[in-house]
Amino acid sequence: DVKVTQSSRYLVKRTGEKVFLECVQDMDHENMFWYRQDPGLGLRLIYFSYDVKMKEKGDIPEGYSVSREKKERFSLILESASTNQTSMYLCASSPSGSKNDNEQFFGPGTRLTVL
Amino acid sequence: LAKTTQPISMDSYEGQEVNITCSHNNIATNDYITWYQQFPSQGPRFIIQGYKTKVTNEVASLFIPADRKSSTLSLPRVSLSDTAVYYCLVVLNFGNEKLTFGTGTRLTIIP
Repeated sequence: DVKVTQSSRYLVKRTGEKVFLECVQDMDHENMFWYRQDPGLGLRLIYFSYDVKMKEKGDIPEGYSVSREKKERFSLILESASTNQTSMYLCASSPSGSKNDNEQFFGPGTRLTVL
Repeated sequence: LAKTTQPISMDSYEGQEVNITCSHNNIATNDYITWYQQFPSQGPRFIIQGYKTKVTNEVASLFIPADRKSSTLSLPRVSLSDTAVYYCLVVLNFGNEKLTFGTGTRLTIIP
């Protein structure tokens, strides 16, 4: 069965802390994505990656960075967390090298609270 | 900039057909339209995908007009378990292409 896992379901951090959100997929997918989900705003793309060591900015990359050292793992980094980064973070992967194939498989999400 | 718009919420009774429309005026030429379902405390789950005309699977149908500026997800004979948020996903082209989710439609099925 297809699986995308995220390191934490709930996370509480303080303003200014460095935060790592980890995502692992076991489907050998090329594409991986990080979204945040906020009430009334739907899912907004932060960063995505088409291959190892490749990354591209989505709609809202400010305040975030990513790392993809291995194909199965895509990390989202908040260099200095702020309260406006309190949100649900969703990781996804898809099986193609092209974004034309938009059948994405999502993890369960990490609800991050920044105090 | 025009984005991808959906009704915020819809209610329906069990057993009825439900149609949810997504407007995407600036859809990229070569990209598919994909719909997802999301239950509370879960990530979205793929329902159906299409490029033009009509696509049907065991869960839903997807209707796409010739100009592709909108799409309609059709759920036949809904049940209580279809209560969820439904999102469309498209690639929009405003000079550069961007993968964009709609804002989601919260569907509530009434017994």
